[in-house]
Amino acid sequence: GESVGLHLPTLSVQEGDNSIINCAYSNSASDYFIWYKQESGKGPQFIIDIRSNMDKRQGQRVTVLLNKTVKHLSLQIAATQPGDSAVYFCAELLGDYGQNFVFGPGTRLSVLP
Amino acid sequence: DAGVTQSPTHLIKTRGQHVTLRCSPISGHKSVSWYQQVLGQGPQFIFQYYEKEERGRGNFPDRFSARQFPNYSSELNVNALLLGDSALYLCASSLRQAMIGNTIYFGEGSWLTVV
Repeated sequence: GESVGLHLPTLSVQEGDNSIINCAYSNSASDYFIWYKQESGKGPQFIIDIRSNMDKRQGQRVTVLLNKTVKHLSLQIAATQPGDSAVYFCAELLGDYGQNFVFGPGTRLSVLP
Repeated sequence: DAGVTQSPTHLIKTRGQHVTLRCSPISGHKSVSWYQQVLGQGPQFIFQYYEKEERGRGNFPDRFSARQFPNYSSELNVNALLLGDSALYLCASSLRQAMIGNTIYFGEGSWLTVV
């Protein structure tokens, strides 16, 4: 299928190294954030989420850091693998009832052998 | 179990035409959201439907409409297509209306090309 994000910022990392993907969000009142992974030709896939009352959350090989002071999120991937190659989006939750996500522009992660 | 299924996967339309895109949520999920993803950008929220009612609408013109059926499947309709409507249209389903702590599952999307 077609690839989304052809003109996205790209982060290239060596296999086995750690990756850090950064994201700035827009609304200081946002209460909930998600990182998504999108492989070529596929829909976004949930990676990890964090609420605004936390500043760090860990999953399997992934950690999300939230800095509300500067409205910044980061996704850290430990021991990056070839299967991690994809476009990564952060998303903040907006809407009167928290029903819609606003996605960032995305970062393409390329894992080098 | 089947995930979120969307149809058609690819289609080509001419400017001014109308298109209907279809989505079947995961069994048991009552919330369906639609997003538009233009090449090189993140998805943009169009609609959310929950229990067959519109619960949220993004910044899209009235040419875009949707509905949800009693079986919770959904259709997205776009009238008077413009070249700028060319995009990947994503459907997402979840159990509840509110999204916090409510895992959202995306389908593979429908690629629409307007010529």
